[in-house]
Amino acid sequence: EIVLTQSPGTLSLSPGERATLSCRASQSVSSNYLAWYQQKPGQAPRLLIYGAFMRATGIADRFSGSGSGTDFTLTISRLEPEDFAVYYCQQYGSSFTFGPGTKVDIK
Amino acid sequence: EVQLVESGGGLVQPGGSLRLSCAASGFSFSTYWMSWVRQVPGKGLELVANINEDGSEKYYVDSVKGRFTISRDNAKQSLYLQMNKLRVEDTSVYYCARLRYWYDSSGSISGYFDYWGQGTLVTVSS
Repeated sequence: EIVLTQSPGTLSLSPGERATLSCRASQSVSSNYLAWYQQKPGQAPRLLIYGAFMRATGIADRFSGSGSGTDFTLTISRLEPEDFAVYYCQQYGSSFTFGPGTKVDIK
Repeated sequence: EVQLVESGGGLVQPGGSLRLSCAASGFSFSTYWMSWVRQVPGKGLELVANINEDGSEKYYVDSVKGRFTISRDNAKQSLYLQMNKLRVEDTSVYYCARLRYWYDSSGSISGYFDYWGQGTLVTVSS
């Protein structure tokens, strides 16, 4: 089973700043099949990115995904107030695995 | 607009049963794989079960095999999860999600979830 590690656990930033979130896999993710989700308190997860860098429908272009193999990154270019949330990565190259999440909170 | 609305959660004693439902709208339900994903409040996400378009193929996480049954009624555009022999550790918010699938190199189903319902809380406690 592929294990995903996300870092940092918590990222404290101010609106307007750039956020860089990391997701590392214990082995290479086939075809770079990695997705990112955003979850706000009391809400369901929302798909942001799939295939490592493809933005989902309706997702703002300040969200971008990159990486390959075992190292992937979600970047939020300029944090908006609504972006403070928990972000999960998920690999689907081999079965399903979710990462433990990174919380982005207001500094 | 794609909508998934879960219902059926609640408080149940250990060993009890519960049936969750998910009403789908805004897309051609019968042409998509569907899934149940759960989350202990404040914790991470765990896939519970998947079902293919016509209900002939199902997958379960090991911890629920033999206790949970996923099913669907395409005429009613609905997804179900029958949960029997419930355990305290099954306490979670259960989400219905649409799966964009593929078969990995071992022939196992995989994929990502492009739409989610709002979730229904299942609490197993005496």
